Amino acid sequence: EAGVAQSPRYKIIEKRQSVAFWCNPISGHATLYWYQQILGQGPKLLIQFQNNGVVDDSQLPKDRFSAERLKGVDSTLKIQPAKLEDSAVYLCASSLGGGRNTEAFFGQGTRLTVV
Amino acid sequence: GDSVTQMEGPVTLSEEAFLTINCTYTATGYPSLFWYVQYPGEGLQLLLKATKADDKGSNKGFEATYRKETTSFHLEKGSVQVSDSAVYFCALRDPFGNEKLTFGTGTRLTIIP
Repeated sequence: EAGVAQSPRYKIIEKRQSVAFWCNPISGHATLYWYQQILGQGPKLLIQFQNNGVVDDSQLPKDRFSAERLKGVDSTLKIQPAKLEDSAVYLCASSLGGGRNTEAFFGQGTRLTVV
Repeated sequence: GDSVTQMEGPVTLSEEAFLTINCTYTATGYPSLFWYVQYPGEGLQLLLKATKADDKGSNKGFEATYRKETTSFHLEKGSVQVSDSAVYFCALRDPFGNEKLTFGTGTRLTIIP
């Protein structure tokens, strides 16, 4: 079974530039998450989708971050414009959804460096 | 809100030593509890989980017991190996929420031969 795919693996951009990350969840997984992991900290949820609807985006800095999940499958996370403090690993995860015991599977992440 | 507090790292142990990584949580109700592991260059992987009080999760020689009375979920292993070197994250999931995971800050473990 293929895992959660993310691209790119690494990205270096200058502040005020734009960047986009892509995630392909495990086939059949209804729930998709984007987490931000700043160096030395645990992952923090940015946004959660159930199919193509947003369940939780309370921690998403909406003035610069946006995310979509078209057709309830792939998802993209965009930052525009980027700030130095956005340097982090962006993790995508997916789960079957629908119950407390559904395991979340994580991709390898995209490491973003803003200079 | 929900939160997870983990033992400060980094932790360095000799091979075959006994490992404990402490984890305590704050949550309403009865959350599910998890340990995730992140090996160098890889994504987060579920190591073990427990969904109710007194449950013991175990995998690859690691164990953790859900202690409701002390709101703890400490990770233990009797004899660590060099291959256990990784970052370990304790996490919880609120059963009444939207299935999001709340993570601790992580503990970096290094095992020396």
